[in-house]
Amino acid sequence: EPEVTQTPSHQVTQMGQEVILRCVPISNHLYFYWYRQILGQKVEFLVSFYNNEISEKSEIFDDQFSVERPDGSNFTLKIRSTKLEDSAMYFCASSGRQGYTDTQYFGPGTRLTVL
Amino acid sequence: DQQVKQNSPSLSVQEGRISILNCDYTNSMFDYFLWYKKYPAEGPTFLISISSIKDKNEDGRFTVFLNKSAKHLSLHIVPSQPGDSAVYFCAASVGGTSYGKLTFGQGTILTVHP
Repeated sequence: EPEVTQTPSHQVTQMGQEVILRCVPISNHLYFYWYRQILGQKVEFLVSFYNNEISEKSEIFDDQFSVERPDGSNFTLKIRSTKLEDSAMYFCASSGRQGYTDTQYFGPGTRLTVL
Repeated sequence: DQQVKQNSPSLSVQEGRISILNCDYTNSMFDYFLWYKKYPAEGPTFLISISSIKDKNEDGRFTVFLNKSAKHLSLHIVPSQPGDSAVYFCAASVGGTSYGKLTFGQGTILTVHP
């Protein structure tokens, strides 16, 4: 069964460093998302991406964050200058095959630890 | 942001019995609701969804009920199995599909005892 994959599974970085989290959505999906879950808190929406542009973003998704679909298979989340409070589990999701009503399928997540 | 609330942090059920997980929402614009299950070290896995034009949707052992006037939905699992032990999240979206932003509840930890 097709699945969303994410790399790395765990990223440790120093405060102020840039990180790039990578995702390979399900093939033929059209909509892509990033969510995060801070330990003990809710899963929170960050951004959605469709047709090579951001379709919606939350107030969390400030200028320090950016997303990109550099080729036909990868979808990345970049945090330009990480803060301690960016430590969280980051989930990528994809949905929407052409002609189908589809739900959002989530990857296993990347645990980001900012020291 | 308390638009979607799961007021029970945990639920413990005996194998074979019914598990009922509850979810309340405050945003009347929500018109599509989903339940996800999450195991440790994995991402959320879709279980079942319901549109606001329905009040019930069933898929095997899982049934979701929606009470729009009360802004309440529930997930029934019958019969419960030990493999159902996980964190269950309800989520909601606007626009009648799951293509938009999902707003999640805090989750309920379900433990099914053999």
